[in-house]
Amino acid sequence: QVQLVQSGSELKKPGASVKISCKTSGYSFTTHTLNWVRQAPGQGLEWIGLINTNTGNPTYAPGFSGRAVFSLDTSVATAYLQILSLRNDDSAVFYCARASFDYWGEGSLVTVSS
Amino acid sequence: VVMTQSPLSLSVPLGQPASISCRSARSLVDTNGDISLTWLQQRPGQSPRRLFYKVSNRDSGVPDRFSASGSGSDFTLKISRMEAEDVGVYYCMQGAHWPFTFGQGTKLEIK
Repeated sequence: QVQLVQSGSELKKPGASVKISCKTSGYSFTTHTLNWVRQAPGQGLEWIGLINTNTGNPTYAPGFSGRAVFSLDTSVATAYLQILSLRNDDSAVFYCARASFDYWGEGSLVTVSS
Repeated sequence: VVMTQSPLSLSVPLGQPASISCRSARSLVDTNGDISLTWLQQRPGQSPRRLFYKVSNRDSGVPDRFSASGSGSDFTLKISRMEAEDVGVYYCMQGAHWPFTFGQGTKLEIK
């Protein structure tokens, strides 16, 4: 069965960076793009962007361009999201979701606090 | 593409129907000629779950008391009979144009 398993919670200081992983299984990794979605506490869903898992080509939403970095390790069917220069208001749960949002990870909580 | 949901909050007695509206600011026809409108459910403390894709295609395991319809820029999610497990926040989402965008979410609770 399809599964997306994300890395655990992180506590970071402002200005630091964080790297979240999304390990997939149950399907061919390179045949479906992977989306990243942010959900701030008590807020709605916000699309960060997606990565083409076949070519590695990323597409970033305007608000995240330059601060979010997508990467892949196809040998272990895993995608990564790195957020640079964290700010207090970056505290959120970050989700990975397969191409058409049919499967989601459990979310990774990132808390930014000094 | 701005996605506007209404209402933002809905309180429905068990066994009664519920309806959520979603409007898009532009056409949601994607490069394949399909209308890329998705409905998601997020139960408290859980990840979102897809309910419908391409306007009205129900995902496996979604009860048939849920239905979805729409065309152009107006879309609707309906629940024929509210059940306790339906409590949560419902989002529409467009996947036709980058950046993909979500509606604000509609919080559904039991009255």
